[in-house]
Amino acid sequence: SQQGEEDPQALSIQEGENATMNCSYKTSINNLQWYRQNSGRGLVHLILIRSNEREKHSGRLRVTLDTSKKSSSLLITASRAADTASYFCAFSGGYNKLIFGAGTRLAVHP
Amino acid sequence: DVKVTQSSRYLVKRTGEKVFLECVQDMDHENMFWYRQDPGLGLRLIYFSYDVKMKEKGDIPEGYSVSREKKERFSLILESASTNQTSMYLCASHETSGNTDTQYFGPGTRLTVL
Repeated sequence: SQQGEEDPQALSIQEGENATMNCSYKTSINNLQWYRQNSGRGLVHLILIRSNEREKHSGRLRVTLDTSKKSSSLLITASRAADTASYFCAFSGGYNKLIFGAGTRLAVHP
Repeated sequence: DVKVTQSSRYLVKRTGEKVFLECVQDMDHENMFWYRQDPGLGLRLIYFSYDVKMKEKGDIPEGYSVSREKKERFSLILESASTNQTSMYLCASHETSGNTDTQYFGPGTRLTVL
């Protein structure tokens, strides 16, 4: 299957802690993206990292990409209760299609 | 801001009914997608369209069809709904320009087939 794999499947932390989620894939990619989904809602694009980039920051988000290991990680620093959501990685499947991972469910407790 | 709307947030239908799920985007995007999302399985692509009247099968097209008569509207059709089509359905449109390569999602339709 081309589907990306994410781990952990679920993560539970306290407010203020950092949250790290990992994504692995099997094909060559042009870029890798991370999306967030609040419970029962649509996905929202968070950040995109291109295959020639190794690290990218956006606010409290830090994404790394290791194309030799075909893996990426998303770090959320100083987590807040409002960060509670599911997080998905996605990578190109051709025709502007995206292949999504199964997601990591993050719970941030006050 | 890009806006993608879906016709219903919640829908309950009976087995054998024909079901229409509508999706509209307001940013003149050429590419549009329909996914279904089930617990533990992530998002699975049903169909996509890269232009008006064009459609391509995704990973799980069986039991579904689509229609794209206008650029802004992409419809998913369940010809004869079955209980295994109970799921969350997500529509997305895709922007590829400059440094952007992003899918914009609608709020989703939670379909229950009884």
